[in-house]
Amino acid sequence: SQQGEEDPQALSIQEGENATMNCSYKTSINNLQWYRQNSGRGLVHLILIRSNEREKHSGRLRVTLDTSKKSSSLLITASRAADTASYFCATDAANSGYALNFGKGTSLLVTP
Amino acid sequence: DSGVTQTPKHLITATGQRVTLRCSPRSGDLSVYWYQQSLDQGLQFLIHYYNGEERAKGNILERFSAQQFPDLHSELNLSSLELGDSALYFCASRGAGGLQFFGPGTRLTVL
Repeated sequence: SQQGEEDPQALSIQEGENATMNCSYKTSINNLQWYRQNSGRGLVHLILIRSNEREKHSGRLRVTLDTSKKSSSLLITASRAADTASYFCATDAANSGYALNFGKGTSLLVTP
Repeated sequence: DSGVTQTPKHLITATGQRVTLRCSPRSGDLSVYWYQQSLDQGLQFLIHYYNGEERAKGNILERFSAQQFPDLHSELNLSSLELGDSALYFCASRGAGGLQFFGPGTRLTVL
């Protein structure tokens, strides 16, 4: 069963705008990771945030984690057409061998 | 390039057949995870191996099996294939920091 639920399912913005995607999960986690997938291709790791961290930055990406609400958000600032992709959050836990539990993803479309 | 390799890239076969998907983890990584991505089920964890031993099972059907060999490459065997098994199959290896690095996937089409 899937742990995470992303919100929104789809997001359409213009270049230069910020995109925010949210993820909720159900059980205790070790880490939460965000991945990107271009249409039908492989998953690219974006950022990992540990359960004892609250915020992390990487370039134009900002991830927050609220373990009390079991939620995370991914912010992409100054979006570009090349950011068009599906974005997934995934959680892992020690009691499942750190296997990733993925959400259904947010489909982001950035138009020029 | 994640350093994880998967072969073949595409596989087209008929119902009832058996196929083997192959994965090599990144150099130095001992773990391999297999995932299935389908339109119906999304991305689902199938099975995890660490240094040759099975460590965790997810939503893996009984018709599916896997193993990890002494050289750490892994094979996922899918048998008695059904139309619904058509999907992208990914493997990933886990690095020291907890990141999982994904291979490019094998797209399986069952006709």
